[in-house]
Amino acid sequence: DIQMTQSPSSLSASVGDRVTITCRASQGISNYLAWYQQKPGKVPKLLIYAASTLQSGVPSRFSGSGSGTDFTLTISSLQPEDVATYYCQKYNSAPFTFGPGTKVDIK
Amino acid sequence: EVQLVQSGAEVKKPGESLKISCKGSGYSFTSYWIGWVRQMPGKGLEWMGIIYPGDSDTRYSPSFQGQVTISADKSISTAYLQWSSLKASDTAMYYCARHPTITQGGYWGQGTLVTVSS
Repeated sequence: DIQMTQSPSSLSASVGDRVTITCRASQGISNYLAWYQQKPGKVPKLLIYAASTLQSGVPSRFSGSGSGTDFTLTISSLQPEDVATYYCQKYNSAPFTFGPGTKVDIK
Repeated sequence: EVQLVQSGAEVKKPGESLKISCKGSGYSFTSYWIGWVRQMPGKGLEWMGIIYPGDSDTRYSPSFQGQVTISADKSISTAYLQWSSLKASDTAMYYCARHPTITQGGYWGQGTLVTVSS
């Protein structure tokens, strides 16, 4: 099965900083990649699907890129409400594995 | 509006059986895969398996194959996750999700908390 990795596992940045999270698949998955944001005690929220398509209602400071095995989620200007854990997920074929998550804090 | 509404929280004893549900509305239930995701306390998201209600084609994560059963009743637009014999380690939040496609976003249920304790 294809394995998903994320880096870093956690990061701390200042309000207004540009933040980049990387997700890597052990084999090519085309652009079948989603990004989720999860705040403590809340349901995961879909941010990006098809690697780069912004889900309706998600702020434009979030963007995704990549194809094949390497993907990135970028927050162009970190806001206090962006404190959360971010997960990538492959969905080209079962199993639709999640990455281990990246925890984002404010410095 | 697409909605996935899950059944309520459950408290069970080890060895008991359980079936939780996820009712879809606002879309063609038979035309999209529905999956289940586990989140143990303080841990990450684990993909368990998926079903296509149109023909009941079901796929499982190797980690969950044989541990749970995923099913669906398309007549009432409802997917299910069931256990025949619960263990304390099954204590977790369980989410159903209509995963994204290349052209459409995804949707999640509100979660069902399952607590297994003697």
